[in-house]
Order: sequence, then C-alpha cells, then structure tokens
Amino acid sequence: SQTIHQWPATLVQPVGSPLSLECTVEGTSNPNLYWYRQAAGRGLQLLFYSVGIGQISSEVPQNLSASRPQDRQFILSSKKLLLSDSGFYLCAWSVLGGVQYFGPGTRLLVL
Amino acid sequence: DQQVKQNSPSLSVQEGRISILNCDYTNSMFDYFLWYKKYPAEGPTFLISISSIKDKNEDGRFTVFLNKSAKHLSLHIVPSQPGDSAVYFCAASASGTYKYIFGTGTRLKVLA
Repeated sequence: SQTIHQWPATLVQPVGSPLSLECTVEGTSNPNLYWYRQAAGRGLQLLFYSVGIGQISSEVPQNLSASRPQDRQFILSSKKLLLSDSGFYLCAWSVLGGVQYFGPGTRLLVL
Repeated sequence: DQQVKQNSPSLSVQEGRISILNCDYTNSMFDYFLWYKKYPAEGPTFLISISSIKDKNEDGRFTVFLNKSAKHLSLHIVPSQPGDSAVYFCAASASGTYKYIFGTGTRLKVLA
C-alpha cells in the first residue's frame, strides 16, 4: 500500500533563516506531488505541484521554492523565511488527476 | 477570485441527525469533485468523490449530490456521529489540470 511521509512534524524558525521540508511517497511510481499551505483559519492553498522529476509548477508567487530530485521525493525550501510563511504545510500525492492523498503535515512557526 | 466556496464556516448538528455540508463553484470546466475530512494538526482524509457524469454518489453514511446547473454540491452524513466532528473541505478539478481548488472548509460539530 502507499504511504506518504513528511518531516519534521513541527518546526520553529527565526525570521530570515532558511527552510527545507521534505516529503516522500512509498508504494507508487511516478506520482503527481503537491505542496499546500493552510494558514490559521484558512483553506488549503496550492503552492506547487509536480508531474515528474525536475518538473515544478508554481501556483502562487512567494518566498518559497520546490524541487523534485527523485521520483518520490518533493522538497519545499526557502532561503529566508518571513513571518507570513507560518502555517501548516501539507504534501499530497495522486495518480494523474485522481484523488489526492495527504501526508501528516508540518506545522511551521516563524518568529 | 474564489472558484470554490463553502459559505458556512461552521455547522452544529445533534448526534443521529443529518449533517448537510454545502459547496458552490464558479468554473464550469470543473468535472471532478472530492470531499475531505480534516482533524486539527493532521492531513485531510479523503471521504468521497463524484464525477460530473453523475449526480449522486453514496458510500456508507456519506452521500454526495451534484447539481451541475446550479454549480453546487453537497455532502450528507446520516446518521451523524460525534466522531464526525472535524473540518470538511470540498475540492474541484478540471480534466487534464492535475490540480484541485479547495474551499475554505466547514467546521462540523456533532453534539452528543
């Protein structure tokens, strides 16, 4: 069966520091991969998605970037965090345009 | 521009009664819809889907209805249970886009 991992679960970072969140999927090949952010009291905002290695589509201009160095690995990064980057970050996978399955999430607090 | 809207931020229902969660969309190209349930500090869990070729899909206590002409879908939970208390998101996708637009969620509270 397929599983999706995200780490760390919680992260507290100072403003201006770098960020690297990792997501890996097991049990499937060539999944579509997604990064979402849920700000406090808000819905799910799609940040990036990828349909293959090295292919990244950005949905919202912002302080973040994404990379997909391997088929089942998706990384969310920032060179310098802003206060507004705080939120709950979710990784998800799907087969083509089907149902998306989410990881457990990373809570990021930027102080 | 919010293409997928859940206009009720919260809903309270008595245990055993029906919960009805609503979702409206504006993009007529959307043809596949999902409902998710989310507990605090966890990832959303997929509940049920519906394709635009159908107007109803049922899975146990969960039924989703789609009214394409009104661009409206709803999730019915019968009977509601306290464990159903969570935030529910609807999501919509257009064929070939590989991405979903999510609503802002409705917080359901089922009272024992």
